[in-house]
Order: sequence, then structure tokens, then C-alpha cells
Amino acid sequence: AQKITQTQPGMFVQEKEAVTLDCTYDTSDPSYGLFWYKQPSSGEMIFLIYQGSYDQQNATEGRYSLNFQKARKSANLVISASQLGDSAMYFCAMREDTITDKLIFGTGTRLQVFP
Amino acid sequence: GAGVSQTPSNKVTEKGKYVELRCDPISGHTALYWYRQSLGQGPEFLIYFQGTGAADDSGLPNDRFFAVRPEGSVSTLKIQRTERGDSAVYLCASSDSGTSGNEQFFGPGTRLTVL
Repeated sequence: AQKITQTQPGMFVQEKEAVTLDCTYDTSDPSYGLFWYKQPSSGEMIFLIYQGSYDQQNATEGRYSLNFQKARKSANLVISASQLGDSAMYFCAMREDTITDKLIFGTGTRLQVFP
Repeated sequence: GAGVSQTPSNKVTEKGKYVELRCDPISGHTALYWYRQSLGQGPEFLIYFQGTGAADDSGLPNDRFFAVRPEGSVSTLKIQRTERGDSAVYLCASSDSGTSGNEQFFGPGTRLTVL
């Protein structure tokens, strides 16, 4: 079974609007971390936001917030007030804390922001 | 401060040749990770180091792949008898285990092409 599933290969959003990128995960580890990374066309992976499995509050970082629904095993990324520079690939990743520090990535969602 | 650096940025080699890819992590980061990203996919874990030792090498595809980190800083990923299927972007990341999220910071990658 896929550990990280991103079901949206591509998404479009108009500038200044909000967009939600979906991510579901599968683990039996009680302690885990969820991450979102942005990969522009230049190729570098840029860390956006982190959510720990025991965190009570949803993580927020500026225009990014993580909608963490533990019972549903989902960790959707919400980008508010989209900007043209947000156009990129977005990857959801998980770390299973009691097993290893490696990240397991999904297949990504390509976001395109249009004027 | 300086981010993760990787050299070379591009490497073209012929099938059967030996290649070395270098990663220089963020100063002070004790953990170093190697991932491989094929076209249209998310990064796939290869190996990670905590200090000088390989803490998890479960992602290395076969014994043609080897990595070292002799002084706990710079790491070299070595690929023997390269095959066309080894063509991918090789990403290096580092992290500071002292932060709560232990997020990984990625370098720009080395694009390996095996002809």
C-alpha cells in the first residue's frame, strides 16, 4: 500500500484565491511527522511546513497551513492568497519516527497559478 | 548561512563507468540524507548518515551504490558500473536533530545522465 497518496496530479488556481492540495498517509507508527515541500522548475526542494502526529494545533507558516485530520489520516496543504510564484510541484512527505528518519514522498501535485 | 551544496550539478557518463557525487551539508547538521528523483516522481530515499555512520541504507538499490561520510560532514555517493536506469536527479539533504520538526533541507541536486 502507498504510504503517501497525492491524488491530484495537477491543480489550477487564480491569483489571490486559496487552494487546497490533498495528501493522505498510511502508517501504524504512533509517532510520525508530516511535511510539505515545494519544488519549482529550478529543481530545488523547499521546505514549507511540518506537522507532528502529537501536535494539537494545525501548523501554520505565513500563507501556508496544514489541515491535519488524524482520524482520516489526511494532511492537506492550504495556500491562501495564491501568487504567481506559487506555481510549482508540491510534495507531501512522512517520517515514521520510531523506525527511521527517512522521508517517504508522494508523487506530487503540480500547481499552476494564473492571473 | 550557506545551504546544502552538491557537485557536480550535471554529470553525463557512459554505461559501465564509475561516478562520484558530492554533498556538502549545512554546517553543524549531524544528519545527511541521499535521495534519488526520477522524472515525474517524488524523491526516493537511498541512505542516511547520523554523524559518520550510515544509520539506514535500506534504500540503496543494489551493491553498485555506496556512500561514505568519513568526517561527519561532506558525503560522497559512489555508483559503480553505471546503468542507463541510474539516470535521475540525486538529491542530498541535511538536518539538525535539535529542532522539533527535524526538517530536512535539500541541495540543488546532481542530474546524472547515463548514456
